[in-house]
Amino acid sequence: SSVLTQSPSVSVAPGETARIPCGGRNIGRKGVHWYQQKPGQAPMLVIYSNTDRPSGIPDRFSGSTSGDTATLTINGVEAGDEGDYFCQVRDVGSGHYDFGSGTKVTVL
Amino acid sequence: EVQLVQSGAEVKKPGESLRISCKASGYTFTTYWIGWVRQMPGKGLEWMGSVWPGDSDTKYSPSFQGHVTISDDKSTTTAYLQWSSLQPSDTAIYYCARVSGLSFPGPFFDLWGRGTLVSVSS
Repeated sequence: SSVLTQSPSVSVAPGETARIPCGGRNIGRKGVHWYQQKPGQAPMLVIYSNTDRPSGIPDRFSGSTSGDTATLTINGVEAGDEGDYFCQVRDVGSGHYDFGSGTKVTVL
Repeated sequence: EVQLVQSGAEVKKPGESLRISCKASGYTFTTYWIGWVRQMPGKGLEWMGSVWPGDSDTKYSPSFQGHVTISDDKSTTTAYLQWSSLQPSDTAIYYCARVSGLSFPGPFFDLWGRGTLVSVSS
């Protein structure tokens, strides 16, 4: 089982805000990264280092951390934002990478 | 163009061997780790291991250590994932991905291949 905890699903109406939490002990101290995976496609990085957006990712996507929870927020959700979202950290001690179990975002 | 191009889908029988590839282009191959990530049908992402093409150093997840081998060929800028004896439970999509951001707060996968589907069945 993963050391990162994600809710299985989130449903949101178009134009509303989706918040996708990722829980893990002292997660903010590890650096959290987020990936979007649309059906039939490879994952794509949407947030790195807790809050940074790669080039080409809309500013509707943002990341934050507080205590043992990291959150990916999608403002003004669009139909094209549907897909699975995974959080990821690297364990400092072992050097191994951990992914959350993923949250499926459905746009109503 | 910066990209990772993976080899095509494979259909194999239990006990067979297999090597799949991931060709990097558009950047300096020897200055980024390349990781392999498994996605079983309908499931999440699992890091399997990584290779540093600079000196072919490898790291493995304990879950995959001893079951797969990760390697690279600097002359062709290609990373490989191989099995000596496949099992039906190896049926999955396998992604290669480039690792960036080695310094604090931690590395991430910034470039992904499209994935290679491996199907193992008798």
